[in-house]
Amino acid sequence: AQTVTQSQPEMSVQEAETVTLSCTYDTSESDYYLFWYKQPPSRQMILVIRQEAYKQQNATENRFSVNFQKAAKSFSLKISDSQLGDAAMYFCAYAGSGTYKYIFGTGTRLKVLA
Amino acid sequence: DAGITQSPRHKVTETGTPVTLRCHQTENHRYMYWYRQDPGHGLRLIHYSYGVKDTDKGEVSDGYSVSRSKTEDFLLTLESATSSQTSVYFCAISQGNSNQPQHFGDGTRLSIL
Repeated sequence: AQTVTQSQPEMSVQEAETVTLSCTYDTSESDYYLFWYKQPPSRQMILVIRQEAYKQQNATENRFSVNFQKAAKSFSLKISDSQLGDAAMYFCAYAGSGTYKYIFGTGTRLKVLA
Repeated sequence: DAGITQSPRHKVTETGTPVTLRCHQTENHRYMYWYRQDPGHGLRLIHYSYGVKDTDKGEVSDGYSVSRSKTEDFLLTLESATSSQTSVYFCAISQGNSNQPQHFGDGTRLSIL
């Protein structure tokens, strides 16, 4: 069975600095998709970024980028120029190709210090 | 934003009472899901549906049942609520292709005293 691990329960970053959130996963599949979701205090689940496993190029969305290492089964999220609004819980998620189930990590709470 | 409405947003009830949470979507997505979110556990799948009257269990289905009589509605029922079911419940929808992300409702905070 696939698993997703986020080993950092909490992280802090100074405003305007860069922070990297870690995510590792375990799977025997070769084709799959990975996602990062943001959950601010409002409780909404907001998609941040998505990565297709067959693409070697790392996904980027404005200040958010990923470091996808397929062989290491690692999918970290880098937030550049951190802003106070980035403070939230961040969840990593995995979905195997052709499946309708998504597996979530336990989350990392990010604090942004002014 | 995806049209997903969860009701109620908050509920407090007593142990042993039945509770039904509703999820309504306007996106005509085939797949609908119920998760619970607890500290230290992330989101755990309770049940999901892949079509009208087609449902299946997730990893934490004990004590929960679901029904889907229409594409747009997915109900989660706690037949006899227990304190261990105090949680935040999220409904999600997807088109069924794993390259597409799930879209979530705003969650229901359920407290069972």
